[in-house]
Formats: sequence, C-alpha cells, structure tokens
Amino acid sequence: AQKITQTQPGMFVQEKEAVTLDCTYDTSDPSYGLFWYKQPSSGEMIFLIYQGSYDQQNATEGRYSLNFQKARKSANLVISASQLGDSAMYFCAMRDKGTIRPGGYQKVTFGTGTKLQVIP
Amino acid sequence: NAGVTQTPKFRILKIGQSMTLQCTQDMNHNYMYWYRQDPGMGLKLIYYSVGAGITDKGEVPNGYNVSRSTTEDFPLRLELAAPSQTSVYFCASSYQEVSMDEKLFFGSGTQLSVL
Repeated sequence: AQKITQTQPGMFVQEKEAVTLDCTYDTSDPSYGLFWYKQPSSGEMIFLIYQGSYDQQNATEGRYSLNFQKARKSANLVISASQLGDSAMYFCAMRDKGTIRPGGYQKVTFGTGTKLQVIP
Repeated sequence: NAGVTQTPKFRILKIGQSMTLQCTQDMNHNYMYWYRQDPGMGLKLIYYSVGAGITDKGEVPNGYNVSRSTTEDFPLRLELAAPSQTSVYFCASSYQEVSMDEKLFFGSGTQLSVL
C-alpha cells in the first residue's frame, strides 16, 4: 500500500503567485517525520523543509511552508511568490518505522512526486 | 567535503551481467539508503542500513543485495541484471539517534541501462 500519496502529477503556477503541492501519508507510528525535497532537471535532490509529528507549529523555511494537518494526515507544501527557478519535481517523504514490521528500524519513503512548472 | 559519493555515474550492462554500485560517505552517518528512480517517477527504497552489519529490505529489494561492513561504505550488488533494473540509482545517508529531523544527504546518482 502506498504510504505517501501525491495526487498531482503536474502543476502550473504563474510567476510570483503562491502554489500548494499536496501530500497525504499513512502510518501507525506515533513518531514520524515529513520532508519535502526538490529535484531540478539536473537530477540532484535538494532538501526544502521538515515537519515532525509532535511539532505544534507548521514549519517554515523562507518561501516554503508546510501546512501540517495531523488529523487529516496531510503535509502540503506551500511555495509563496513562485520563481522561474522553482520549476522542478517535488517529492514528499516520510520517516517512520513502517507498518510491515512494527518495531523495526526507521526508514524514509517517498511519494511519486509533482512536476511544477512556473509560467513567466 | 565530499559528502556522499557514488560510482560509476553511468553504466550499460548486458542482461545477466552483474555489477556493484559503490556508495561512500565521509560524514560518519549511521543510516544509509539505496533508492531507484524510474523515468518520471518517484524514489523507491531498495535497501537501507542503520549501521555497520545491519541492513534491512525496503520496498523493492528483489534482484539486489547489500552489505555494510564499515560506516562509510554501502555497496549495492546486482547479480543477474534484467531490463527492469534500468533506472537511476541514488544513495543517501543521514545521522539519526533520537531526533527524527535529520535530512538525507544524496549522492549524484548512477544511471544504469540494462540492454
């Protein structure tokens, strides 16, 4: 079963506008972490932002913020004031102990990604 | 400061051949991961390791083997290459103890084609 779900294969946004990239997750582990990574066309993976399951406030990093709704198991990424350089693939990821072997080691699994294109 | 180093960057294999993808990190990280990324898709976890001598299967382990004899190195072995293993392979590492917020550091990837 897919643990991290990104339902938007592709998104367009006008330059300088804000955009929200959706991410939902599933875990039975009470302690988990959520990450967003950016992958430009060059292929490198760039860390953007992190949210812990016990964090009371939504995480923010510059133009990036994470809209964390724990009851809904969603962790959407909000990019404000989009720039042309934001055009890339965006991946949501979760660190948890997994559901296949409860009590096992922490591991990080990724969603299928959303391709964001910023239009001038 | 090298970070996570993967070799080779590109490789073409014939069906049935074997090879080892090398990954080494110089950050004294305890966790290391291998992912594969098929074209236009997300990253799928193949194997991971929580320290020297300890490895565990991820989402797609079939056709691969790993070992972790040192903290620095985490090689990925393909024994009988198949076209379905054509992909880009990423190695990553992180330091984890109590905190969950340690981000992954990624290598630059290995593009593998099996023909």
